[in-house]
Amino acid sequence: AQKVTQAQTEISVVEKEDVTLDCVYETRDTTYYLFWYKQPPSGELVFLIRRNSFDEQNEISGRYSWNFQKSTSSFNFTITASQVVDSAVYFCALSERLGSSNTGKLIFGQGTTLQVKP
Amino acid sequence: NAGVTQTPKFRILKIGQSMTLQCTQDMNHNYMYWYRQDPGMGLKLIYYSVGAGITDKGEVPNGYNVSRSTTEDFPLRLELAAPSQTSVYFCASSSPRLAGGETQYFGPGTRLLVL
Repeated sequence: AQKVTQAQTEISVVEKEDVTLDCVYETRDTTYYLFWYKQPPSGELVFLIRRNSFDEQNEISGRYSWNFQKSTSSFNFTITASQVVDSAVYFCALSERLGSSNTGKLIFGQGTTLQVKP
Repeated sequence: NAGVTQTPKFRILKIGQSMTLQCTQDMNHNYMYWYRQDPGMGLKLIYYSVGAGITDKGEVPNGYNVSRSTTEDFPLRLELAAPSQTSVYFCASSSPRLAGGETQYFGPGTRLLVL
């Protein structure tokens, strides 16, 4: 079965520290997509990144970077020089195709709560 | 673009009552979804739709119904509310991609408490 595991339930860091959020996934598919979403205290879900299984290049966007390693089935997320505004719950998700349709459902990990203290 | 909007933001229901959670998107997305998020958990798919007039069950459909009469709207109906339906409900939409893996954009959520 497809599965996403975020083993870190809660992480607390002091502002300006770097922090890495782990994500491990299981899938039988050879083509698949991985996502990260941020859920700030206000509750909405904010899309951060999508990565397909054929692209193992690391990606950097400002203070955010993602490390995708197919060999270990991991898609980790690093925040450099964390800020208080980074405090949120972060979800890793895997797209699973729904039957014969062209769309897929997102299988979410349980989320990692990141607290950045000033 | 407002994106995906949901109403109401918060509602308290008594056991056995029914209600409709509204979801509208203005991005002309074909695909729409309803998820629920229980405390401390990730989201689980309730129902989805690949276009007007087409809906299908997700992972946890029991106790819910949906309809999709237009591209923009995808209401979720709760019949005979039960305490187990206390949750936060998220609507999402996406645009089809031939290769799959389309990005789903979420609404702000509806917090539902059933007492």
